[in-house]
Amino acid sequence: QQQVKQSPQSLIVQKGGISIINCAYENTAFDYFPWYQQFPGKGPALLIAIRPDVSEKKEGRFTISFNKSAKQFSLHIMDSQPGDSATYFCAGGGSNYKLTFGKGTLLTVNP
Amino acid sequence: DAGITQSPRHKVTETGTPVTLRCHQTENHRYMYWYRQDPGHGLRLIHYSYGVKDTDKGEVSDGYSVSRSKTEDFLLTLESATSSQTSVYFCAISNSQGNQPQHFGDGTRLSIL
Repeated sequence: QQQVKQSPQSLIVQKGGISIINCAYENTAFDYFPWYQQFPGKGPALLIAIRPDVSEKKEGRFTISFNKSAKQFSLHIMDSQPGDSATYFCAGGGSNYKLTFGKGTLLTVNP
Repeated sequence: DAGITQSPRHKVTETGTPVTLRCHQTENHRYMYWYRQDPGHGLRLIHYSYGVKDTDKGEVSDGYSVSRSKTEDFLLTLESATSSQTSVYFCAISNSQGNQPQHFGDGTRLSIL
């Protein structure tokens, strides 16, 4: 079974700090790596995504760093805010219609 | 949220009863998915559909069946519900193969007593 391993399981950050969540994948056929954000009682929502032809993608305070040789990618949230408190999921996908998700990281940003 | 409606949003039922969850989309997307979400397990794919009457199994398909008779509706059925199927179920849609975003509904919380 192709896995995506996500760490840490939970993370507490102070307001204004940097939140970093890491993922590692096994399937070299993956060519699409999205991050989803989920608030309680809601479905996951796409936050940002990257393809392996670039090493970094930035959208506002959110940045994905991608290391193809190490089969790792990470989400950085700059200037973290209490409103960023949510569960974050990484995933990997290829050409087979499916995404494989990590187990999630519960982020708490303290005011 | 991306024109996806899941029904019911909450359901409590007893072990051994049949349960059907519905996912309805207004986006005319080709691909539809059913996931379950459990603490410590993230999102796990149950079944998916790549067109009308075209479905396939995901990683946790045992005890579940699906049907898709028209583009907009994807049904998930638990033929005889068990307590291990207590979970939050999410439907997702996508307009392309796996390298395009999947958009999720807001889920159905199912409790089986």
